Amino acid sequence: GDSVTQMEGPVTLSEEAFLTINCTYTATGYPSLFWYVQYPGEGLQLLLKATKADDKGSNKGFEATYRKETTSFHLEKGSVQVSDSAVYFCALMNNFNKFYFGSGTKLNVKP
Amino acid sequence: GAVVSQHPSWVICKSGTSVKIECRSLDFQATTMFWYRQFPKQSLMLMATSNEGSKATYEQGVEKDKFLINHASLTLSTLTVTSAHPEDSSFYICSARAGSVGNTIYFGEGSWLTVV
Repeated sequence: GDSVTQMEGPVTLSEEAFLTINCTYTATGYPSLFWYVQYPGEGLQLLLKATKADDKGSNKGFEATYRKETTSFHLEKGSVQVSDSAVYFCALMNNFNKFYFGSGTKLNVKP
Repeated sequence: GAVVSQHPSWVICKSGTSVKIECRSLDFQATTMFWYRQFPKQSLMLMATSNEGSKATYEQGVEKDKFLINHASLTLSTLTVTSAHPEDSSFYICSARAGSVGNTIYFGEGSWLTVV
């Protein structure tokens, strides 16, 4: 069945460091791919998305490219800030609008 | 943009009681709504899919008699946790879709349930 695998956390970085959170997926058909962010005590917020192969989603300095050949959608940011500390979820939406989420990666950014 | 709102955001209830969580689409008609739960430090798991005016479709392993879902109108779906137990304590989040498959889905802010 459809599934998403993302790197385990927590990931601890210093401010202005480069961030990569790996995400790979398994799906039939042509899923859309998403990164959601969850700040402490809050719900999910869409960070970025890509709906087809080779699309690059970007927002707030984060970006991820839909790689069909490697079934990946890795999240990157060139320079993280303390305010980026949160849990990041990779997700896919299949052709039936069902979402499958990764287990989440907690990011801690230290000043 | 489209907004999906959940209420309450936080609720504490006693074991054995029932609690209702509402999910409303504020500026669009949601023909389909989805309910998820998130255990601490785990990912979100789809519980059920509800279509307006019909019975919800539950995922494998989700007790439909315990988690009652009603989608009575195009802007409201409710999740009722019946005879709640401490193990039902979780974060419940809904999402809503306007129209047919392929349209954008919007997530609510989520509801934290604590059963004591």
